[in-house]
Amino acid sequence: GDSVTQMEGPVTLSEEAFLTINCTYTATGYPSLFWYVQYPGEGLQLLLKATKADDKGSNKGFEATYRKETTSFHLEKGSVQVSDSAVYFCALSETGGYNKLIFGAGTRLAVHP
Amino acid sequence: NAGVTQTPKFQVLKTGQSMTLQCAQDMNHNSMYWYRQDPGMGLRLIYYSASEGTTDKGEVPNGYNVSRLNKREFSLRLESAAPSQTSVYFCASGDNYGYTFGSGTRLTVV
Repeated sequence: GDSVTQMEGPVTLSEEAFLTINCTYTATGYPSLFWYVQYPGEGLQLLLKATKADDKGSNKGFEATYRKETTSFHLEKGSVQVSDSAVYFCALSETGGYNKLIFGAGTRLAVHP
Repeated sequence: NAGVTQTPKFQVLKTGQSMTLQCAQDMNHNSMYWYRQDPGMGLRLIYYSASEGTTDKGEVPNGYNVSRLNKREFSLRLESAAPSQTSVYFCASGDNYGYTFGSGTRLTVV
């Protein structure tokens, strides 16, 4: 079945450092891809999405490009802030599957001043 | 504020007790979902409802039942709680543009 694999955390960075969180997927069709963020004690919030190959999703300085050839959707940010500390989840929406999302295990990011 | 509301936020149960987690959305979404979140395992789908009056099993349905009461409400029931059901439970509603999640229910079964 479809699946999502994320790099293990935690990722610890200094403020203003460059961030990459790797995400690869396995899918039989052409899924939509998502990044969600979870701040402490809260539910998940949609960060960005891409619906087809070569699409770039972006929001709040974060970017991710849908790479069909490498089945990847890596999350990047040029300069992280302490407020970006959270858990980040990569997810895919099953093709024809009533929008069911399949999530990766999550990557915890800690940004220090 | 528009969104997904879950109750309760915290609950402690004894093994064998039953309870119902409530979820309501005002996003006018057709689809609703129940996930559980466990450390190192991401979110796993328990049950989902593609539309009012329909429900289907997800990845980990054993020990749970659901009811789609109307378009807004989707409840999750534990008939006989077990320690393995200790988790954080999230309800979500969604469409092609993504999901909106509730703030979660932290359940401990002792």
